[in-house]
Amino acid sequence: GAGVSQSPSNKVTEKGKDVELRCDPISGHTALYWYRQSLGQGLEFLIYFQGNSAPDKSGLPSDRFSAERTGGSVSTLTIQRTQQEDSAVYLCASSLAGTGIFSNQPQHFGDGTRLSIL
Amino acid sequence: QKEVEQNSGPLSVPEGAIASLNCTYSDRGSQSFFWYRQYSGKSPELIMSIYSNGDKEDGRFTAQLNKASQYVSLLIRDSQPSDSATYLCAVKGYGQNFVFGPGTRLSVLP
Repeated sequence: GAGVSQSPSNKVTEKGKDVELRCDPISGHTALYWYRQSLGQGLEFLIYFQGNSAPDKSGLPSDRFSAERTGGSVSTLTIQRTQQEDSAVYLCASSLAGTGIFSNQPQHFGDGTRLSIL
Repeated sequence: QKEVEQNSGPLSVPEGAIASLNCTYSDRGSQSFFWYRQYSGKSPELIMSIYSNGDKEDGRFTAQLNKASQYVSLLIRDSQPSDSATYLCAVKGYGQNFVFGPGTRLSVLP
């Protein structure tokens, strides 16, 4: 079946502009995650959704970053007034949301959006 | 603060050897453990998951879990140059969030 889909695959924009990144999870996956990965670095957690709510948004680096999810499916990550340090690959992942002893579902990643701020 | 630690490497092994990748975690309540492989410029892909103490084998890969010592490892037998990548350890508790380690870069030398 279809995997996690992210768009655009590449985005180049000028400093100060707003950008929207989109993630379409695997059908039926209720948990959705956003990460950021700078060149040569590990995954930096940003936010995760369970359905349309975000129980953990502790990783958002500043109030310029926001994310929403509607209909328990597609999510958008918005970065306002972009800065050069926002340049990175933004990865989205989704998983089935088991709880308690069933919380053993792995994440599946999209191909990411490579964001470059000029 | 839940932490997952890995040696950053690079870990270099000759072709055909066994590569051993290690991961330790701080949260004793962790329930599920995953190994992801990430090739340069690509997104992480799941290669193994393990939930119970002991070994789990899948082809050339063996995951080992020891909850008492809070470590999980990944062995790659008969290493191939195509195994050269960064390996990420991920840990999950009863909740939905994952904690990823920084990754270990593996280089398999022909």
